[in-house]
Amino acid sequence: GDSVTQMEGPVTLSEEAFLTINCTYTATGYPSLFWYVQYPGEGLQLLLKATKADDKGSNKGFEATYRKETTSFHLEKGSVQVSDSAVYFCATGRGSTLGRLYFGRGTQLTVWP
Amino acid sequence: EADIYQTPRYLVIGTGKKITLECSQTMGHDKMYWYQQDPGMELHLIHYSYGVNSTEKGDLSSESTVSRIRTEHFPLTLESARPSHTSQYLCASSPRTSGGTDTQYFGPGTRLTVL
Repeated sequence: GDSVTQMEGPVTLSEEAFLTINCTYTATGYPSLFWYVQYPGEGLQLLLKATKADDKGSNKGFEATYRKETTSFHLEKGSVQVSDSAVYFCATGRGSTLGRLYFGRGTQLTVWP
Repeated sequence: EADIYQTPRYLVIGTGKKITLECSQTMGHDKMYWYQQDPGMELHLIHYSYGVNSTEKGDLSSESTVSRIRTEHFPLTLESARPSHTSQYLCASSPRTSGGTDTQYFGPGTRLTVL
């Protein structure tokens, strides 16, 4: 079945460091790919998405490129801020009537000043 | 910005009580979901609905039940709460799409503690 494997955390970085959180997926066909972010005490918010191979999703300085050849959708940011501290979830979905999304286990990011 | 609401945000209750967690969305979305989030952060789908009068169980077995009488409303009920039900419950919705991108929009969550 469909699944997502993402880098285990926690990840701890200093402010302005480069961030990469790895995500690989298993799915048949041509799934859409998502990154969600969860700040403390809140629900998940969509951070970015990509719907076809080679698409790049971007938002708030974060980027991820849909790589079908490596079945990956790694999240990157060139210079993290303290306010980026949160849990990040990678997800895949196939646009079926079910509307199911399959989430990774989440990666906790802490950024220190 | 998505408009999906959950109440209460926090609930502390004794064992054996019946509780209902409310979830409402104002976007007219057909599909709605309930997730249980454990302390390790992992999300588990426990219920979903394609539309009015349609409900299905998710991947994680749950003693809770849901109903979908109105498009905008998807409450979750526990008939007899137990300490093992202590968790964060997240509600989400998504629009009917064609060729799709099943973006789900999440509510803020209800943190339930059963003593």
